[in-house]
Amino acid sequence: KAGVTQTPRYLIKTRGQQVTLSCSPISGHRSVSWYQQTPGQGLQFLFEYFSETQRNKGNFPGRFSGRQFSNSRSEMNVSTLELGDSALYLCASSPEGQNQPQHFGDGTRLSIL
Amino acid sequence: GQNIDQPTEMTATEGAIVQINCTYQTSGFNGLFWYQQHAGEAPTFLSYNVLDGLEEKGRFSSFLSRSKGYSYLLLKELQMKDSASYLCAVRGSGGYNKLIFGAGTRLAVHP
Repeated sequence: KAGVTQTPRYLIKTRGQQVTLSCSPISGHRSVSWYQQTPGQGLQFLFEYFSETQRNKGNFPGRFSGRQFSNSRSEMNVSTLELGDSALYLCASSPEGQNQPQHFGDGTRLSIL
Repeated sequence: GQNIDQPTEMTATEGAIVQINCTYQTSGFNGLFWYQQHAGEAPTFLSYNVLDGLEEKGRFSSFLSRSKGYSYLLLKELQMKDSASYLCAVRGSGGYNKLIFGAGTRLAVHP
């Protein structure tokens, strides 16, 4: 079974631009969550999508948004990029069920110049 | 507020046993996860606890005490490949798949 696939792996942008990251979950997983990982803050929850609906949201500004498609693939978008948005963005998918773990992709490393 | 504490760094010797502690204060509790993350790689799932007690999985065990807001991950017969960051994460009252992560513990295993 293929794992969680994130594209692109690396991205360089400048301040003020916008970016879209993509995540394909494990086949059969309908929940997709996004996290931001930085050396100073660790892993921080951005949002979760299930059946094309945002089910949970973290404490990030409105510049961070996402969506999920009918095939469970998900995208996240960051607009008006700031230097502080430089981070590893991780996507995780899981099957439905209370004790099911999330499975992470390798992430997209975003660098803002 | 919500807070998860883990030691920042630990070192251990190959073949030894190491215990990584995690204490948490969160709004509600619906399970605790441990993940391993090698540098430059994705976190991988190690264990899940939702009831008090010990869960054993080969060389790895995880313990939970909900009344104390405390968990530990025990790694036995350490190998060099166990050098990684270990992340403690709690599913709070928000439920579903919103995990609150600790900053992680960097473990270095020496020969």
